[in-house]
Amino acid sequence: GAVVSQHPSWVICKSGTSVKIECRSLDFQATTMFWYRQFPKQSLMLMATSNEGSKATYEQGVEKDKFLINHASLTLSTLTVTSAHPEDSSFYICSAAPSGSYNEQFFGPGTRLTVL
Amino acid sequence: AQSVTQPDIHITVSEGASLELRCNYSYGATPYLFWYVQSPGQGLQLLLKYFSGDTLVQGIKGFEAEFKRSQSSFNLRKPSVHWSDAAEYFCAVKAAGNKLTFGGGTRVLVKP
Repeated sequence: GAVVSQHPSWVICKSGTSVKIECRSLDFQATTMFWYRQFPKQSLMLMATSNEGSKATYEQGVEKDKFLINHASLTLSTLTVTSAHPEDSSFYICSAAPSGSYNEQFFGPGTRLTVL
Repeated sequence: AQSVTQPDIHITVSEGASLELRCNYSYGATPYLFWYVQSPGQGLQLLLKYFSGDTLVQGIKGFEAEFKRSQSSFNLRKPSVHWSDAAEYFCAVKAAGNKLTFGGGTRVLVKP
């Protein structure tokens, strides 16, 4: 149980295009999902907290107009990187907290984004 | 604000030897602490967690961790390392809003 998937697992795009990454909780409902960014050989940095049916809460320094987050259902959150540039290339990881649980979150396998 | 420090960036250990990874945290309230493992290009897998109770916590894959409030530490240990334990290990503390703050990670290399 408690499986989180991400799609795609990797994506290569041209500079200036937009890329959408999906995060799904497969066997549980998640009121809250989180989006992290991880640069090579570095730790995970929280980008935003996504709550189902409401606007995401972004961490300081994260551009909300660049990283659009939608959490339209209890099992799906999407991150759209708009007008991507090479500096947006990174490993993006989502996690999902089961509804009613405030102490645990389960992580997806990550999405490798490369912007040419 | 909460913070997590993993003092060791890299650790090399021989297969069969013991392993200890250090984690120090800073948090004003009772911490909820986690250890995760990440293989290259993969997401994070939870090894173990501490919320309350017994300060020695058993996890998966033969790992254990001990919470020491007086030292603000939550060190991870394994008595005998296997080659498959080579990975990146992250310590994390849960703050308000279920947010996790991660340490910088420790990369473990296992020598045959």
